[in-house]
Amino acid sequence: AQSVTQPDIHITVSEGASLELRCNYSYGATPYLFWYVQSPGQGLQLLLKYFSGDTLVQGIKGFEAEFKRSQSSFNLRKPSVHWSDAAEYFCAVGTPYNNNDMRFGAGTRLTVKP
Amino acid sequence: DGGITQSPKYLFRKEGQNVTLSCEQNLNHDAMYWYRQDPGQGLRLIYYSQIVNDFQKGDIAEGYSVSREKKESFPLTVTSAQKNPTAFYLCASTEQGAGTEAFFGQGTRLTVV
Repeated sequence: AQSVTQPDIHITVSEGASLELRCNYSYGATPYLFWYVQSPGQGLQLLLKYFSGDTLVQGIKGFEAEFKRSQSSFNLRKPSVHWSDAAEYFCAVGTPYNNNDMRFGAGTRLTVKP
Repeated sequence: DGGITQSPKYLFRKEGQNVTLSCEQNLNHDAMYWYRQDPGQGLRLIYYSQIVNDFQKGDIAEGYSVSREKKESFPLTVTSAQKNPTAFYLCASTEQGAGTEAFFGQGTRLTVV
């Protein structure tokens, strides 16, 4: 079965600084990859997703992610972080067969310093 | 507006009681899911349903039960057999097919007192 690892439990960045959140997946074929964001006590919202094609994916709120097959990674990036970006971020991996087998990483909590 | 509504937002349960968490969606999605979220563990799948009157166990179904009598509704019962029920529970729905976006409710925080 597929799996996903988010190596960083907690990251702190200064407002205006760039951000990169790491995600590594394990799956034998090309996976479906997602990044979700969760504000405290709330549900998850989709930031972006990758299925095929261009390996650089643009999402909402100025986020982007790059799929690197050779590194089994799907890192999330943002050039300039805003205080409102403070939240928990989840990477998820699914298969081309069905959504029932989607696996979520443990999450990375982002703190933004003023 | 279309979306998923979970209720209640906070729920307290005494030891040995069953409690039911509500999940309703008006997105006309066929598939619905229940996840459990614990700190540092991400989301773990409890049950899912791809169609009315059918549902399947996820990775951590023990101590939980569900029903899917209507397309819009997918309630989760946390039974007394669930030994550690204190957690944040999330309901989600998707269209049928692989790779479609999951829409999540706002969650229910269950605490055993």
